[in-house]
Formats: sequence, structure tokens, C-alpha cells
Amino acid sequence: QSALTQPASVSGSLGQSITISCTGTSSDIDYYNYVSWYQHHPGKAPKLMIYDVSDRPSGVSTRFSGSKSGNTASLTISGLQAEDEAEYYCNSYTSSSPVLFGGGTKLTVL
Amino acid sequence: QVQLVESGGGLVKPGGSLRLSCAASGFTFSDYYMSWIRQTPGKGLEWLSYISSGSSYTNSADSVKGRFTISRDNSKNSLYLQMNSLRAEDTAVYYCARVMVGSAYSGFFDYWGQGTLVTVSS
Repeated sequence: QSALTQPASVSGSLGQSITISCTGTSSDIDYYNYVSWYQHHPGKAPKLMIYDVSDRPSGVSTRFSGSKSGNTASLTISGLQAEDEAEYYCNSYTSSSPVLFGGGTKLTVL
Repeated sequence: QVQLVESGGGLVKPGGSLRLSCAASGFTFSDYYMSWIRQTPGKGLEWLSYISSGSSYTNSADSVKGRFTISRDNSKNSLYLQMNSLRAEDTAVYYCARVMVGSAYSGFFDYWGQGTLVTVSS
């Protein structure tokens, strides 16, 4: 089964910007514009932050943005705030599974 | 507002069965595809299955095909996951999620429940 690879952890200081990557293959992220990102605080329901690579659902802060280049999608959070500290997951359509999540990235806000 | 509340989790022995439920409110349940997703301890999210709004179409991950069955009752605004032949590796928090409309892809989930814990152990 193909995998979506995310860094295990990233960190940034309050007010800074960070980027989380999600690397797939030519059969998924590179081929389809079906990438989303979720924010997950422990014990709470995951929250959709980005869909269709770069679209934000209503109510999601404009500090969150998504992009894609080749087989790598990225989530950028600008103006880091303490409440952004959470686990972040990408997902995409892949040739081997209609829905595949990345392994998750723990964001620490310093 | 949209609410999804899972129930039915608990401790079950390997080889046993469990049925999870998800009660939906705050939206027209029968208009939406729905899905089950789990998070295993220390690991990430794993999509399990989705079902179309009228139950005519379902699809499941290879890891649970033949063991888990998704279903729904639109008259009760409820989603279900029947889990059979449970294994230790099925231990996880199970979430129900609503599939977002407005995209051509059925893999975006715009609302999730808070999850129910399933522990498979002897």
C-alpha cells in the first residue's frame, strides 16, 4: 500500500510560520488534487482545515493555507498561536486506497 | 449545530464482535455520505469504510474487508459499524465522520465525533 509521509514533529515559536509536508507518489498527490489537512487536539474531534489542496472550510482561520508541488503537499501555518499546538494529518486519494491518511505530525509551539 | 456522537465501544475478547453506533443531529443525515475512521494507540488515523446517503454504495479498507460492515438507518439518523472477528490490532478510538459535499472527492470529512474506544484483549 502506498504511504503518505509526514515528518513526525515540527516546532515553531509564537508568531512564526511553519510548514508541514506530506509526500506521496505520482499515483496520488501528484496526480489528483484531492488533498486535505486535519487538526487534532487530544481527546477532541479532528477538524478539517484544508480540502482540495488549498481551500479552507468556512470558519477556518486564514493563517492556515495549503499548497502542492509535484508529489508533495504542504500545510503552512502563519502567525503561530499557542492553540495551534496539535497533531496534523494529511489525506489523499491514492491508487491503492480511496482514502489514505498520512502518519501525522505533532506541532509544538515554543 | 452538527453533532456526531459515537457509542458502543468497550472491552472485547479476540475473535469477538461489537457494534458501534453514531447518532447524528443538526443536519439532514440522509443527504450525506458517512464514514468510519479509527486512530490506533500511538499511531495515526486509518480510514475504514464509507457508505452512500441511501446505502446503495459502500467501500471499505482492505484491512477490515470481510470483518467490518458499515450500515445506516436514515429514519433514525444513525450510522453503524458491525465489527466481527476482532483482533488485538483493532484496538483503537473509532470515529464517525461526515463526508463533505462540494468536492468531487468522497474522502474529505467536515465533521467528526469525539470517538469511542474499542479495546480488544483477553
